[in-house]
Amino acid sequence: NAGVTQTPKFQVLKTGQSMTLQCAQDMNHNSMYWYRQDPGMGLRLIYYSASEGTTDKGEVPNGYNVSRLNKREFSLRLESAAPSQTSVYFCASMSTDTQYFGPGTRLTVL
Amino acid sequence: AQSVTQLGSHVSVSEGALVLLRCNYSSSVPPYLFWYVQYPNQGLQLLLKYTSAATLVKGINGFEAEFKKSETSFHLTKPSAHMSDAAEYFCAVSDASGSYIPTFGRGTSLIVHP
Repeated sequence: NAGVTQTPKFQVLKTGQSMTLQCAQDMNHNSMYWYRQDPGMGLRLIYYSASEGTTDKGEVPNGYNVSRLNKREFSLRLESAAPSQTSVYFCASMSTDTQYFGPGTRLTVL
Repeated sequence: AQSVTQLGSHVSVSEGALVLLRCNYSSSVPPYLFWYVQYPNQGLQLLLKYTSAATLVKGINGFEAEFKKSETSFHLTKPSAHMSDAAEYFCAVSDASGSYIPTFGRGTSLIVHP
């Protein structure tokens, strides 16, 4: 039982490049989330998916898109990366009331 | 709407001293409350949670928190700090009716001195 997994662990992009962050969970949870973590800002919700086939914007969705591919997988895409998107990205899934987090992806945009 | 305020972005204690991390929340409905811990270069993991049962909640690693409705607080305590407690701690609140969208505080970094 791996919990929540994220790939890649680290990524460096140039401004304007695109990439997709992958997330998968094996706990059969309906809800999944993408957060970004910046120093002094806590966790800010980018997008979430309450169930397979649905996605909704969170607090900071601009510059991102998501896909809930199936119940297990929830990907985050940066179409044209900007330096302001340099951050640590966390994926999470939720049981009844508790979130389970992946180990994070550290993204640097030059 | 709900929000969380964690007082103090950094808290420094000596090993063996009391740990007190403060969290105040606002919520228009009965809340669920959580403390998560993040060790360096790792994701967050649940430390403890309040979901409308006992107001004093015990978690892992000797931590506990008390829900005080009158004070809208959910402070985290541990009687004796250990070096391994050094980490970032996040308080979070969600809607007990099941909105599926927790709101996190900005975090408190706990520093433990030998």
